[in-house]
Amino acid sequence: DTGVSQNPRHKITKRGQNVTFRCDPISEHNRLYWYRQTLGQGPEFLTYFQNEAQLEKSRLLSDRFSAERPKGSFSTLEIQRTEQGDSAMYLCASSLGGQVGSYNSPLHFGNGTRLTVT
Amino acid sequence: AQSVAQPEDQVNVAEGNPLTVKCTYSVSGNPYLFWYVQYPNRGLQFLLKYITGDNLVKGSYGFEAEFNKSQTSFHLKKPSALVSDSALYFCAVRDRDGGYQKVTFGIGTKLQVIP
Repeated sequence: DTGVSQNPRHKITKRGQNVTFRCDPISEHNRLYWYRQTLGQGPEFLTYFQNEAQLEKSRLLSDRFSAERPKGSFSTLEIQRTEQGDSAMYLCASSLGGQVGSYNSPLHFGNGTRLTVT
Repeated sequence: AQSVAQPEDQVNVAEGNPLTVKCTYSVSGNPYLFWYVQYPNRGLQFLLKYITGDNLVKGSYGFEAEFNKSQTSFHLKKPSALVSDSALYFCAVRDRDGGYQKVTFGIGTKLQVIP
């Protein structure tokens, strides 16, 4: 278990640019989540995958945000035409799911990607 | 809809004293409840969870939490606080009957253990 890996750790970009973050979950985990956390707030749910299928999306996820998990392994989160309000920590988490008793599996978080939009 | 309330922004406790971090929740059905801890510039680490059964659950680093259905609470406790327990603590809930996988987090409580 090497843990959830997120890259890059930090990203500074200018308003209007596109950015892409990557998440590598724990290898045997079939569920993957993206959350956003701003200062003084708890993580806010963005989207969730089971294998390669994106099953839930938050209304927070505007059209400028897109997430993929093409082979059911790593995932990418892209933000187009970034705005200053997108500045936040983007957290990825993974868990086991789909088996009996797996609904209570805890989330395993990566260390996040901190995005600063100038 | 599901939600979590952590009424205290910060809790201060002297080292060696017992600590409590409060959490109340709201779900349409029955809850799965979780506590996570976050250290600066790090992701969240799982501490413990309530699924069903015994209302007192034990977790990592000597923490425990008590589920109270009538008060819809899930307070985090530790008998004797350590300075190294100082961190940000998040309570989280998932509606067991809602058919969704989304886990909703509270805004967090900063725990400061004073030497």
